[in-house]
Amino acid sequence: SQQGEEDPQALSIQEGENATMNCSYKTSINNLQWYRQNSGRGLVHLILIRSNEREKHSGRLRVTLDTSKKSSSLLITASRAADTASYFCANAGGGATNKLIFGTGTLLAVQP
Amino acid sequence: NAGVTQTPKFRVLKTGQSMTLLCAQDMNHEYMYWYRQDPGMGLRLIHYSVGEGTTAKGEVPDGYNVSRLKKQNFLLGLESAAPSQTSVYFCASSLQGGNYGYTFGSGTRLTVV
Repeated sequence: SQQGEEDPQALSIQEGENATMNCSYKTSINNLQWYRQNSGRGLVHLILIRSNEREKHSGRLRVTLDTSKKSSSLLITASRAADTASYFCANAGGGATNKLIFGTGTLLAVQP
Repeated sequence: NAGVTQTPKFRVLKTGQSMTLLCAQDMNHEYMYWYRQDPGMGLRLIHYSVGEGTTAKGEVPDGYNVSRLKKQNFLLGLESAAPSQTSVYFCASSLQGGNYGYTFGSGTRLTVV
């Protein structure tokens, strides 16, 4: 399976703290993407980082990519209760860019 | 702008029954996908389409069929439902496959008893 893995599986922090989630993948990639899923809802695209980029920012989100280690991290700064959700990484692996393969997700709980 | 719309939102089927899940997008996206989401397993790709009239198998295609007769619609069919197909099904679309972000529907929760 090309499915990636997120680490940790679950994370609980206090409002205002930073949250870091990690993603490992197995094949070469064209890009890596992060998605958020609120309970009972569909996934929402957060950010895309291409294989020739090392870091990308979007608001309170910071994503890094290390292609030599086949890993990525998502940092959410100054977390809020509304950030409580599951976060998934996804990549178009193995040279096939037609489709994304999703990881198993990290469940983030931000306590008010 | 509705984005991706899935119908129905909930359904209970008896083993052996058939049904069709409908996905419609209004963004003129070429690529469309059907995923299933089960606890602890993330999203797994069932079938996908790279354009009108095309379909391809994903990671877990057995027991499902799809059709893309119109660019805006992608149908997922279960010919003879089994309890193992109890899941939440998500449709997604993309402008150009994995090179762009996906837009997801809100999901269909299917229970097969």
